[in-house]
Amino acid sequence: GAGVSQSPSNKVTEKGKDVELRCDPISGHTALYWYRQSLGQGLEFLIYFQGNSAPDKSGLPSDRFSAERTGGSVSTLTIQRTQQEDSAVYLCASSFVKARKTGTDTQYFGPGTRLTVL
Amino acid sequence: EDKVVQSPLSLVVHEGDTVTLNCSYEVTNFRSLLWYKQEKKAPTFLFMLTSSGIEKKSGRLSSILDKKELFSILNITATQTGDSAVYLCAVNSGYSTLTFGKGTMLLVSP
Repeated sequence: GAGVSQSPSNKVTEKGKDVELRCDPISGHTALYWYRQSLGQGLEFLIYFQGNSAPDKSGLPSDRFSAERTGGSVSTLTIQRTQQEDSAVYLCASSFVKARKTGTDTQYFGPGTRLTVL
Repeated sequence: EDKVVQSPLSLVVHEGDTVTLNCSYEVTNFRSLLWYKQEKKAPTFLFMLTSSGIEKKSGRLSSILDKKELFSILNITATQTGDSAVYLCAVNSGYSTLTFGKGTMLLVSP
């Protein structure tokens, strides 16, 4: 596709339920990122994938959050036993990272998934 | 801990005005600074800056980086109502993750 796509665009769930959010990166992009944007806050880094491996999971707020990426493409962010404080917009981004050129890649964002936990 | 601070937090101007948005940063290993425009959900990429003193320009928007004083500015000339958005500044410290500021909300009134 032309850009990063995410699904669903909106998700309303009840406290305690599990949710899965999906991200389809730009074709050929090697790196994939998940961020969270809460009301009135900046974007908060969650996790970064290079290929299928996640060298940096430092942003995941708790062990209820997990993510995987398969085939070097699609990624799924799973939140187990959702809490009201998980309500936010979850944004995915992708980039093409050249070897030894980390830090100068441009990340392109998807439209996000707005998660509301009742 | 890496830190990015944007100012002002919000700004209201009239169409045709020129605005300057500020971004200062403290990071351990600076690689690049990026500006994004966020209107609804997806932040859209504007500029990436890696070298001091070199202006990047796209139409009415321009940006410059000062690596000595650790800040960047984003200028918008002859503002239009379509420029109304949140402008985000982010810094990449070499681990491919971005540290974002909280953004500047710009409202351009007709």
